[in-house]
Amino acid sequence: EVHLLESGGGLVQPGGSLRLACAASGFTFSSYAMSWVRQAPGKGLEWVSAISGSGGNTYYADSVKGRFTISRDNSKNTLYLQMNSLRAEDTAVYYCAKGMLGYCSSTSCYISFDYWGQGTLVTVSS
Amino acid sequence: EIVLTQSPGTVSLSPGERATLSCRASQSVSSSSLAWYQQKLGQAPRLLIYGASSRATGIPDRFSGSGSGTDFTLTISRLEPEDFAVYYCQQYGSSPPLTFGGGTRVEIK
Repeated sequence: EVHLLESGGGLVQPGGSLRLACAASGFTFSSYAMSWVRQAPGKGLEWVSAISGSGGNTYYADSVKGRFTISRDNSKNTLYLQMNSLRAEDTAVYYCAKGMLGYCSSTSCYISFDYWGQGTLVTVSS
Repeated sequence: EIVLTQSPGTVSLSPGERATLSCRASQSVSSSSLAWYQQKLGQAPRLLIYGASSRATGIPDRFSGSGSGTDFTLTISRLEPEDFAVYYCQQYGSSPPLTFGGGTRVEIK
């Protein structure tokens, strides 16, 4: 059974940093692209970032480019999101999601998401 | 960037009724790379449909997807009590960014 468990959320001041982690199990982690999707309180879903199965290619939404870094450790079956220069508008529940089908190239990643974690809340406030 | 517009924003229906949800794209979605998700309050999204019309594993056949190009539809043939939720479409034919629609809430009438 596929299981995704996020951790690392919490309260951080504007301009601060936070690192999220997502522990995966139940599938061959290195074979699948992974992604972070966030949801601000009372709002819809927003794709944040994705990473290819090997970790060699990464992709970002414009709203986080240059501030967030996605990475993965396939030996530990863990996905990460390093978030720097955090802003109030980054406040959201952050979901880890497993890529389904599709493919990722050097410039693009075409995936839907067949499994999601339960999310971790990040609050950016002074 | 492909913008997805979902309509209606909210629909009020009774159990047993048919629900028809629309997702319109600002440009053609290649290879019908369109997915639908269900999200209940306080829960993570769940994949219902991918490739515009293929049901994900374990999804009941009362859920069906159709459409191509810029117009897509999610139909729930007969609403069960557990189907009252928010539904999102997502395109993965153009990236980055991957994009989601704003959601349609299906509420009990």
